[in-house]
Amino acid sequence: GENVEQHPSTLSVQEGDSAVIKCTYSDSASNYFPWYKQELGKRPQLIIDIRSNVGEKKDQRIAVTLNKTAKHFSLHITETQPEDSAVYFCAASVSYGGSQGNLIFGKGTKLSVKP
Amino acid sequence: ETGVTQTPRHLVMGMTNKKSLKCEQHLGHNAMYWYKQSAKKPLELMFVYNFKEQTENNSVPSRFSPECPNSSHLFLHLHTLQPEDSALYLCASSQEKIPGSGYTFGSGTRLTVV
Repeated sequence: GENVEQHPSTLSVQEGDSAVIKCTYSDSASNYFPWYKQELGKRPQLIIDIRSNVGEKKDQRIAVTLNKTAKHFSLHITETQPEDSAVYFCAASVSYGGSQGNLIFGKGTKLSVKP
Repeated sequence: ETGVTQTPRHLVMGMTNKKSLKCEQHLGHNAMYWYKQSAKKPLELMFVYNFKEQTENNSVPSRFSPECPNSSHLFLHLHTLQPEDSALYLCASSQEKIPGSGYTFGSGTRLTVV
């Protein structure tokens, strides 16, 4: 089955710096890769996702890149702000026959942005 | 609330108790999930229901018993739990037939087994 590894487990940056979180996956058939943000005491929320037919996707200060050959994908946050502090989870799944497979999550990265 | 509601938010139970967690989604989704979130562990998939049918049981101990009476409601019945079962239990839903639609999570139930 799919296995998703996520690094680093903790990340501390100064406000305004960039943050990068990396994930690798094992199942070459995986084709959908979402990222979730979970603030303290709150639910995980989808912030960005990418499919395997795309190499990069941006949404304001957030971008995700995908390298299918190496089976890894990364989350990039630029101009970080204190409100970006949270735990970020990557995930992978296989979509087939018009259906979405189950999401398998990484262990999470606790991002701290210092003012 | 974003459309997936979980109750109770917090639950403390003894190892001999029986309790149930409830999840309700108002998004018209047809797939629902139970995940367990423990400290320093990934979100662990427990059960999956598509159109009320259980499609996955991820080797979960029988002291956890799911129930899905319709596509909007999902329960997790608990009995004779162990202290290591203490965790945040998250419910999620998705539109199973739309690849890449993402999951919507509930706020979770923080379970403590004493």
